[in-house]
Amino acid sequence: DIVMAQSPDSLAVSLGERATLNCKSSQSVLYSSNNKNYLAWYQQKPGQPPKLLIYWASTRESGVPDRFSGSGSGTDFTLTISSLQAEDVAVYYCQQYYSVPITFGQGTRLEIK
Amino acid sequence: EMQLVESGGDLVQPGGSLRLSCAASGFTFSDYTMTWVRQAPGKGLEWVSSVSASADNTDYADSVKGRFTISRDNSKNTVYLQMNSLRGEDTAVYYCAKWVVSGWAECWGQGTLVTVSS
Repeated sequence: DIVMAQSPDSLAVSLGERATLNCKSSQSVLYSSNNKNYLAWYQQKPGQPPKLLIYWASTRESGVPDRFSGSGSGTDFTLTISSLQAEDVAVYYCQQYYSVPITFGQGTRLEIK
Repeated sequence: EMQLVESGGDLVQPGGSLRLSCAASGFTFSDYTMTWVRQAPGKGLEWVSSVSASADNTDYADSVKGRFTISRDNSKNTVYLQMNSLRGEDTAVYYCAKWVVSGWAECWGQGTLVTVSS
């Protein structure tokens, strides 16, 4: 199974500042035949289901604000929020879909400093 | 608008059974893989099971293999999760999700709570 490890476990950032969340996979999730990274990011606010933010490691889902961006390749990935807004307080999860079983990271809790 | 509505969650004793349902609307249900993901109280997300669009392929997490069965009825736009031999560690909110075939959840339901306790 591919193990997904997120860091840090929690993060406090001031409003308007940049937030950087990391995700590392235990093996590469880059599929060589199509050069795509099989990695997604989700946002989960309290009492709500998760919401898709990013897929293919860097493709923003329709309707997601452009302050959210994904980067990385192979085993190391980053979700960046360029200018933190109050509504971005949530837990963020990465997920690999390179192989079954599908696996998620443990989550990073993002708060306002 | 895409919508997924789960039902069937309940309090059940260890060793008991439960069937969850997820009714879909707002998209062509029969074109999509559907997936169940669960979240234990205060914990992270765990993929449970997926069923392909035509139901000819299913996958399960090792933690539920042999105890849970996923199925779908494309005439009713509904996916099911039959859960047998339930254990305390199965206590969670169970979400169904519309799954893009490549492997991510495009849309989630609100979830249904399953509590396994005596």
